[in-house]
Amino acid sequence: AQSVAQPEDQVNVAEGNPLTVKCTYSVSGNPYLFWYVQYPNRGLQFLLKYITGDNLVKGSYGFEAEFNKSQTSFHLKKPSALVSDSALYFCAVREGFSGGYNKLIFGAGTRLAVHP
Amino acid sequence: EAGVVQSPRYKIIEKKQPVAFWCNPISGHNTLYWYLQNLGQGPELLIRYENEEAVDDSQLPKDRFSAERLKGVDSTLKIQPAELGDSAVYLCASSLEVDPTGNNEQFFGPGTRLTVL
Repeated sequence: AQSVAQPEDQVNVAEGNPLTVKCTYSVSGNPYLFWYVQYPNRGLQFLLKYITGDNLVKGSYGFEAEFNKSQTSFHLKKPSALVSDSALYFCAVREGFSGGYNKLIFGAGTRLAVHP
Repeated sequence: EAGVVQSPRYKIIEKKQPVAFWCNPISGHNTLYWYLQNLGQGPELLIRYENEEAVDDSQLPKDRFSAERLKGVDSTLKIQPAELGDSAVYLCASSLEVDPTGNNEQFFGPGTRLTVL
């Protein structure tokens, strides 16, 4: 069965400092990995995805994520945090196509708070 | 380009009453999803449509929940009768899937926040 874990309920970081939001996953086959961000009273917005290829994936708003197969992780990173990055971040995983459709499984979310 | 549109944004009802949510996906997107998001949790899939066909409704509580996507565009999710535990945010998403791999991102609407009293 597929699963995804976000071990931190909240991450606090000072503006201008680097940030990391952690995500680990479990799938039987190859993973498709996604990060979404949710601002208050708004739907989830897609940030980036890993399907195949380079382990370092670059996405929207300066975010990037690194796929680490040996550690089954897909941590979200940004070199310099902005106050406007404060939001709820969701990691999601889907087992790669294996003859049938596999639904997207979301983590519980991590709240990022960037302080001025 | 307009995003995924949902209405109403908020709904407050008494328990045992019916309620319906509407979703208009991004134009041209063939796949539509309804998710349930409880407070402090990630979205959970209720049902997925490919065009007008419900291809995954295994998580939909069929005794009280129903959904339809007539003509393969707009979709409606209904609860009848609503229970206290149904209070949550109901999210609609859409994507353009051109092959079975499912590696395309989903675009989400703002959601409908349901409160059952």
